[in-house]
Amino acid sequence: QQQVKQSPQSLIVQKGGISIINCAYENTAFDYFPWYQQFPGKGPALLIAIRPDVSEKKEGRFTISFNKSAKQFSLHIMDSQPGDSATYFCAADTGNQFYFGTGTSLTVIP
Amino acid sequence: KAGVTQTPRYLIKTRGQQVTLSCSPISGHRSVSWYQQTPGQGLQFLFEYFSETQRNKGNFPGRFSGRQFSNSRSEMNVSTLELGDSALYLCASSLEGAGMEQFFGPGTRLTVL
Repeated sequence: QQQVKQSPQSLIVQKGGISIINCAYENTAFDYFPWYQQFPGKGPALLIAIRPDVSEKKEGRFTISFNKSAKQFSLHIMDSQPGDSATYFCAADTGNQFYFGTGTSLTVIP
Repeated sequence: KAGVTQTPRYLIKTRGQQVTLSCSPISGHRSVSWYQQTPGQGLQFLFEYFSETQRNKGNFPGRFSGRQFSNSRSEMNVSTLELGDSALYLCASSLEGAGMEQFFGPGTRLTVL
C-alpha cells in the first residue's frame, strides 16, 4: 500500500510556466514532508521541506503548500526552467521511516 | 565536506549469487538508510542503521541484510539474487536519522541476469 500518493506521473511545462506536483497521505503520524529532486544518474537531493505546523514554505522559485486537514501537500515551481527538468519525489516521515511518492518526471520545454 | 559515497557504482550478477554494496556516509553522520529504487515502485525503504544497530526495517525479505561499522560505514548484502532485485540501491546518511535531512549517495546500479 502506497503511503504517499503522488501525481501526476509526468508533467510537461513551457519555460516560464508554473509546475505543480501534488501528494496526499493518510497517516497522521507523519510530521516531516520533504521534496527531493533527482537527475539521471544521481541520487535524490533535498529541495525543500516543511513541517505540519506551517501551511506554506518558500525558497526561491520553489514553494511547498501544506493542507493538514486535507492531508495534502504540493510543490510549486515558479518560472520553470529547462534546468528544472528532473524527477521529483515527495516524502513523508513518521520519525522512524521515510515513505516516498512514486515520483513525477518534469520536462520543461524551452 | 565530502558527500555520501557508494561503491561499486555498477554491478552485474547472475541469479543465485550474492552481492555486497558499500556506503560511506558524510563525516559525523551516524544514521545510514538504504533504499531500493525501481521504475515501478519508486523508492522503497530497506533498513536504517544507527550507531551500529539496525533501528528500522522495511518490508523486504530476509535475503536483504545490512550492517554498520563503528566508523558509520555501512554495507548491504543481498543473497540468492533474483531477477527482480535489479534496481538502483541508494544509501542516505543523516546526523540522527528520520526527521532530519537525508543526504543521498549516487547509488549502485545492480543488474541481475
